[in-house]
Amino acid sequence: DVKVTQSSRYLVKRTGEKVFLECVQDMDHENMFWYRQDPGLGLRLIYFSYDVKMKEKGDIPEGYSVSREKKERFSLILESASTNQTSMYLCASHERRGFGGYTFGSGTRLTVV
Amino acid sequence: GQQVMQIPQYQHVQEGEDFTTYCNSSTTLSNIQWYKQRPGGHPVFLIQLVKSGEVKKQKRLTFQFGEAKKNSSLHITATQTTDVGTYFCAAPDRGSTLGRLYFGRGTQLTVWP
Repeated sequence: DVKVTQSSRYLVKRTGEKVFLECVQDMDHENMFWYRQDPGLGLRLIYFSYDVKMKEKGDIPEGYSVSREKKERFSLILESASTNQTSMYLCASHERRGFGGYTFGSGTRLTVV
Repeated sequence: GQQVMQIPQYQHVQEGEDFTTYCNSSTTLSNIQWYKQRPGGHPVFLIQLVKSGEVKKQKRLTFQFGEAKKNSSLHITATQTTDVGTYFCAAPDRGSTLGRLYFGRGTQLTVWP
């Protein structure tokens, strides 16, 4: 089975800090995604990447950037963390030409204080 | 972008009752996917429907794709406490081969014993 691993389950950061969330997948998938999930708002796409060094903005990219230097790793960067970025962050990967759904990581619960 | 509307947002049922969640789009969908997220967990891919009028079953779960490929439903017969969670539908971005999905906001199912 595909495994998507997020580096931290829980994180607490201070306002203004630069925060890195890491995601690694082990099945050579082309596509990787970062979502945030907030109660009542569902899954909102922040950024996605369809190849190494390639990225596309999702619906809420403001305040975030991403990096994909290697196919298996997709990093989400909060340039200057703010309290309204307190959320659950979910990474997912997908084989673009495959028949099947996304595989999600277990999520990182980020609290910005 | 593609939008999928999902209703209801919440559903509370007694164990043994049936449950249905609906997903609707104003445009024709190439396919639709369903995910389940247990409380405290991450979304897990359940199934993908591709053909017009398609019906698929997974034990007590029945998934349908409408004839016009603009709507879909997930029906659970005789709910159990293990069915608790949030169910999401998701559809791909029209006209794009990049593999991005648009998620509905989900239906949160609570089952009373």
